[in-house]
Amino acid sequence: GNSVTQMEGPVTLSEEAFLTINCTYTATGYPSLFWYVQYPGEGLQLLLKATKADDKGSNKGFEATYRKETTSFHLEKGSVQVSDSAVYFCALSDLGTPLVFGKGTRLSVIA
Amino acid sequence: DAEITQSPRHKITETGRQVTLACHQTWNHNNMFWYRQDLGHGLRLIHYSYGVQDTNKGEVSDGYSVSRSNTEDLPLTLESAASSQTSVYFCASSPGQGTNYGYTFGSGTRLTVV
Repeated sequence: GNSVTQMEGPVTLSEEAFLTINCTYTATGYPSLFWYVQYPGEGLQLLLKATKADDKGSNKGFEATYRKETTSFHLEKGSVQVSDSAVYFCALSDLGTPLVFGKGTRLSVIA
Repeated sequence: DAEITQSPRHKITETGRQVTLACHQTWNHNNMFWYRQDLGHGLRLIHYSYGVQDTNKGEVSDGYSVSRSNTEDLPLTLESAASSQTSVYFCASSPGQGTNYGYTFGSGTRLTVV
């Protein structure tokens, strides 16, 4: 079945550091890939998405590239801010099925 | 503005009681979903619906039911609450069944079963 594996957290970084959160997936078809962010006490918000191989999704300084050859969709940001502290979820949707989520990675950014 | 609202935000109930969590969206989305969020498990799909009168079981549907009588609402019922159902519940909606659509999430309901 479809599944998403993302790096265990928590991840703690200093402000302006480079961020990478790894995500790999298993799917039977050609999935769309998503990153969601959850701020404390809130629901999930769509951060970015990519719908086919080699697509790059980007939003708010975050980027992720759909790599079919490595079945990966790693999230990156060049310079994190305290306001980026949140839980990040990688997810996929394949053949129109409901989103399947990874377990989430908690990011804490300290000033 | 369109929105998706969940109620209540917090609920404490006793083991064995029937509990219903509400989800209401004004996006006019066909698709609605219920997930539960637990530490170490991420989000797991409970039930989902692709339109009025359509319901489907997800990964962790045992002990839960849903009904879809209109476009706007997908209430989640716990038939006989158990301590294992203590969790944060999220409702989501999306406009279509294609893989390109992201979901819009509600703010969640924190349920404690004592």
